[in-house]
Amino acid sequence: RKEVEQDPGPFNVPEGATVAFNCTYSNSASQSFFWYRQDCRKEPKLLMSVYSSGNEDGRFTAQLNRASQYISLLIRDSKLSDSATYLCVVNRGSGTYKYIFGTGTRLKVLA
Amino acid sequence: NAGVTQTPKFQVLKTGQSMTLQCAQDMNHEYMSWYRQDPGMGLRLIHYSVGAGITDQGEVPNGYNVSRSTTEDFPLRLLSAAPSQTSVYFCASSEMGRSPQHFGDGTRLSIL
Repeated sequence: RKEVEQDPGPFNVPEGATVAFNCTYSNSASQSFFWYRQDCRKEPKLLMSVYSSGNEDGRFTAQLNRASQYISLLIRDSKLSDSATYLCVVNRGSGTYKYIFGTGTRLKVLA
Repeated sequence: NAGVTQTPKFQVLKTGQSMTLQCAQDMNHEYMSWYRQDPGMGLRLIHYSVGAGITDQGEVPNGYNVSRSTTEDFPLRLLSAAPSQTSVYFCASSEMGRSPQHFGDGTRLSIL
């Protein structure tokens, strides 16, 4: 089993739709979680950190489920500009500075 | 507003050549790291540093060396390039090890 797993997609959704991605992780000691977006052939850019109580930033909501060991990202009212690959990032465990990236979920928002 | 700067942006090497990928940040970040990204495999950690004079190995360190003599710079050295090292290399930095990382715009490296 991979340490961090994501559905590669692509998720093809119409503009205005709500879409959700999950990311599962295998190390129960992981403590830091992030979502990044990556456009084709560009560097990853931080979308949001994921906090235990869940957090929201505009149209984006991130959740952490420690019991089932997954994080989720919800995008409401999808825009064409949301088309990208979404990467989840998890640290390897308590006290470690090693981060594991998922292979990403590709989203295409259609006009 | 430079952030994380990587040079060169593109490079072609022959097998057996050595080279250094440069990474500099102007945010006074303690944590710096190097990743490689290959199709279908996501980003994999090569080496990282938690401060000047301190480095450690990531998932895929073989064939690469790093040093951190200053807070700002974290060069990655390929000792003897191999075709398997053809990849896109990203450098990143953060305030602390658990803070979000900021990425440079990458170096696209081809080994022939």
